[in-house]
Amino acid sequence: AQKITQTQPGMFVQEKEAVTLDCTYDTSDPSYGLFWYKQPSSGEMIFLIYQGSYDQQNATEGRYSLNFQKARKSANLVISASQLGDSAMYFCAMRDWSTDKLIFGTGTRLQVFP
Amino acid sequence: DTGVSQDPRHKITKRGQNVTFRCDPISEHNRLYWYRQTLGQGPEFLTYFQNEAQLEKSRLLSDRFSAERPKGSFSTLEIQRTEQGDSAMYLCASSLVGMDRGPSYEQYFGPGTRLTVT
Repeated sequence: AQKITQTQPGMFVQEKEAVTLDCTYDTSDPSYGLFWYKQPSSGEMIFLIYQGSYDQQNATEGRYSLNFQKARKSANLVISASQLGDSAMYFCAMRDWSTDKLIFGTGTRLQVFP
Repeated sequence: DTGVSQDPRHKITKRGQNVTFRCDPISEHNRLYWYRQTLGQGPEFLTYFQNEAQLEKSRLLSDRFSAERPKGSFSTLEIQRTEQGDSAMYLCASSLVGMDRGPSYEQYFGPGTRLTVT
């Protein structure tokens, strides 16, 4: 069965610093997709970044980058130059290729302080 | 159309009552998903539709839950005889999946409906 593990319940980072949020996954399917979503206190899930299992390069989207280490089955999110507005819950998710449903981890609460 | 919308945003109901939630996806999206999120957890998949066809239901979706997408546009999720354990955020998401099932499409989420069963 597919599984996502996020071992950091909470992280603190100072404004303008970089932070890494950890995510490990487990699957026996060679084809999969990995996603990161941000969930502010308002509740909506905001898509941040995607990495496909066959992608040769790590994904980047603005200040977000994904450190994809396939052999270690890890897909860590790196946020550069943190901003106060980055304070939120962050979820790592995997897509089940056969059904397209997303399987989420338990999330990491990031707090950015001045 | 700016995104996925859900109604109501909040619902408080007494145990044993029936409730119905509505989700309006992004207009051209052919897939619609329902997830449930309890406090301190990530969203858990409940069910999804391809147009009007319901293609998969999670074991989490007991007989008291039913979902429809009658015309392949909006969807409703009904919970009958609510229990306190049904208290959660119910999230709807939609996506556009082409015949080639391109790998990088994402699911766009609505703001959720927070259900409290007293």
